[in-house]
Amino acid sequence: RKEVEQDPGPFNVPEGATVAFNCTYSNSASQSFFWYRQDCRKEPKLLMSVYSSGNEDGRFTAQLNRASQYISLLIRDSKLSDSATYLCVVNRDMRFGAGTRLTVKP
Amino acid sequence: GAGVSQSPSNKVTEKGKDVELRCDPISGHTALYWYRQRLGQGLEFLIYFQGNSAPDKSGLPSDRFSAERTGESVSTLTIQRTQQEDSAVYLCASSPWDSQPLHFGNGTRLTVT
Repeated sequence: RKEVEQDPGPFNVPEGATVAFNCTYSNSASQSFFWYRQDCRKEPKLLMSVYSSGNEDGRFTAQLNRASQYISLLIRDSKLSDSATYLCVVNRDMRFGAGTRLTVKP
Repeated sequence: GAGVSQSPSNKVTEKGKDVELRCDPISGHTALYWYRQRLGQGLEFLIYFQGNSAPDKSGLPSDRFSAERTGESVSTLTIQRTQQEDSAVYLCASSPWDSQPLHFGNGTRLTVT
């Protein structure tokens, strides 16, 4: 089993839709969780950290479920500019999931 | 302040040649990571340096790959006897210490002909 697994998608959604991605991890001792965004042919950029109590940043909500060993990212009111690949990162060794590709269409 | 700097930004080399990629992390960042990203693929972990601890080399794909870091500064990734399957973008990232968010460089795009 891979350390970090994501649904690769692609997710194709209309503008204004709500979309959610999950990322499962295998190491139950994992402590650090992050979501990154990567645009085509660019380096990944931090979207948000994931805290145990869950956290929100504007239209983005991140949650952690330790019992089931997954983190989630919810995007509300999707914009065209949200089109990108979303990567989760777990644990101090910073292993990345393969990424989930999102396309928001007009 | 300055971000993570990688050089060269692009490198074309012939199969069988050695290449050296350089990463200048953000000043004061103790953790440094190298990743490989093939076209259309995710980030593949290569190696991790944390301060003066022994590096985690568990992601290096073969003994043709090696990396060094001088203290908490510059790191170099060396690929010997390059093969076509080494063609990829090599990304370097640093963070203040482990388990903190990563700051990425722009990457080195390596093409092996």
